[in-house]
This record gives sequence, structure tokens and C-alpha cells, in this order.
Amino acid sequence: KNQVEQSPQSLIILEGKNCTLQCNYTVSPFSNLRWYKQDTGRGPVSLTIMTFSENTKSNGRYTATLDADTKQSSLHITASQLSDSASYICVVSENTDKLIFGTGTRLQVFP
Amino acid sequence: NAGVMQNPRHLVRRRGQEARLRCSPMKGHSHVYWYRQLPEEGLKFMVYLQKENIIDESGMPKERFSAEFPKEGPSILRIQQVVRGDSAAYFCASAQGADTQYFGPGTRLTVL
Repeated sequence: KNQVEQSPQSLIILEGKNCTLQCNYTVSPFSNLRWYKQDTGRGPVSLTIMTFSENTKSNGRYTATLDADTKQSSLHITASQLSDSASYICVVSENTDKLIFGTGTRLQVFP
Repeated sequence: NAGVMQNPRHLVRRRGQEARLRCSPMKGHSHVYWYRQLPEEGLKFMVYLQKENIIDESGMPKERFSAEFPKEGPSILRIQQVVRGDSAAYFCASAQGADTQYFGPGTRLTVL
């Protein structure tokens, strides 16, 4: 069964600190992996997208890594800000159309 | 260029009533996806449509749920005879071909 698992389920950090979120998947065949940010009460917003051949992708303070051999991805957030408080969702494409969503990591950044 | 628009943002229905959720994709996007998100759970794929065609409805419940994306106008997700278990956030996403999906703000359905 195609699955996407994320850890930790929730995370609290202080403003200015770094953090890393993990994603493991069993989706096959694999097309691409995306990280989305979902603010409370809003729809998800795409942060990064990586294909099979890409190992890392950055978007400002967000850096995503992908190890297609071990089927693991991470999202590293540098110098966290209060506005980073949100759910971060790992999404894996089984093909180019169907997305399989993880349940997300809920991040809270405190001042 | 306005983003994906969904309305209403909040919808309250009594058991047995019908719910109609609307989604207007981004300009130029011809692919629409509907997802359901239950509290504390991830988004679950429901249906994928292109103009006037249902491409993949493998995530749609077999009964009471239907979706359409007419040639003119928004995509509609219709839930007949709603039950309490239908209470959830329903998100629509649009894409230009096999590309990044852009999500709308969602419709929160509450069934009393």
C-alpha cells in the first residue's frame, strides 16, 4: 500500500532556531516529492518539488532533501520565524496526477 | 491573476440536506482536483477532472457524492443526503497540465 509517513507529529521550537522534519514513503512508482505548508484554516501552499534525480532543493530558508534509495526526505527550516508556525505536509506523486499526502508535522514557533 | 477560489468558505447543513461546493480554478488551468481533510488527518484525494470529463474518481465514495467541471463555470462537488461523517474541510486544487497543484482556501462543511 502506498503510504507517506511524517515525523515528528508535532514540534515546538523557539524563534530563530533551526529544525528538520522527516518524511518516509513507500509510494511506487515514484514521480516526484513535494513539501507543502498549510496555515491554519488555509489551503496548502507548495514550498518545493523534487524529482527522482534531485537530492536537494532550496526555497529561501527552506531546504528539502531527497534520498530516493532509502525513500526518505527531509525539510530543514533555518532561522525559524513566528510565521513558520503551520503544518508541513510531505506529498508524493504516484504518477504525475495522483498525490498521496502525509498527515503533516505541526510546527509551532514561540518567541 | 486570482488564485483558486472556493465558495462558500463555511457551509452548515442538517442531516439529509444537500451540499454544493464550488471551485473556480486559476485562470488558464484546466485540471481540477478535489480533496477531503478530516480533523487531524491528511488530505485525501477524491476526484480529478478536466473540462467536462472525470479523469479519476477513485477516491470518491460510491454513493451520494458527485463532481462535475462543466465547459463554462466552476467545478461543483455535490454531496446528497449529508451525514455527520461528511463534516470535513474540502479543498480544491487546480493545475495547468501535469504541474504543481495550487490549492484553494477550502470549504468547511459542518453537518448538524
